[in-house]
Amino acid sequence: GESVGLHLPTLSVQEGDNSIINCAYSNSASDYFIWYKQESGKGPQFIIDIRSNMDKRQGQRVTVLLNKTVKHLSLQIAATQPGDSAVYFCAENGGQNFVFGPGTRLSVLP
Amino acid sequence: AAGVIQSPRHLIKEKRETATLKCYPIPRHDTVYWYQQGPGQDPQFLISFYEKMQSDKGSIPDRFSAQQFSDYHSELNMSSLELGDTALYFCASSSPHGDYGYTFGSGTRLTVV
Repeated sequence: GESVGLHLPTLSVQEGDNSIINCAYSNSASDYFIWYKQESGKGPQFIIDIRSNMDKRQGQRVTVLLNKTVKHLSLQIAATQPGDSAVYFCAENGGQNFVFGPGTRLSVLP
Repeated sequence: AAGVIQSPRHLIKEKRETATLKCYPIPRHDTVYWYQQGPGQDPQFLISFYEKMQSDKGSIPDRFSAQQFSDYHSELNMSSLELGDTALYFCASSSPHGDYGYTFGSGTRLTVV
């Protein structure tokens, strides 16, 4: 497998617990945010998005929270499953392209 | 459902050689983006094209060039390859009319030896 994530922040959670992955963004003009999941050897996979006129958005087992005051984004995963193990990136868009934040490796323990 | 197709999946080149990576976007997507992800690194934006014209430019080295063709596929041409070019190269496409939804390809893993 690829060596992505040797120095990534790591979050380890027990299967069935909830996970919270945090992300700080830098551009106060960013108006659109996406969370991506990346499994080893694969491209980023879209999870959920949120626009800057919202504070919270829910999907299937996932919730994204946006705090524009402190430029902070979080991804909450309910009832974490082994298949959720991956590297998670947040990405912000204030213009033409997305800027990725540092990834976080989520490890789900049996 | 059709996805973003990238070829080749893996490529090994020697220093100073050239490489061409190809990206085929989702049908009716008119915008293509290229990203480079080095080992242990976040994806870094290289360049994007909209309707066959370059729309934005990121940290793409001068040794690299890219274009989008009439069928909307895109090619990333890399010359005088260096060891530091070893990375996973992703292409993403998005649909027209302001829809920001991105779909990524699986990437091309380039190894320069």
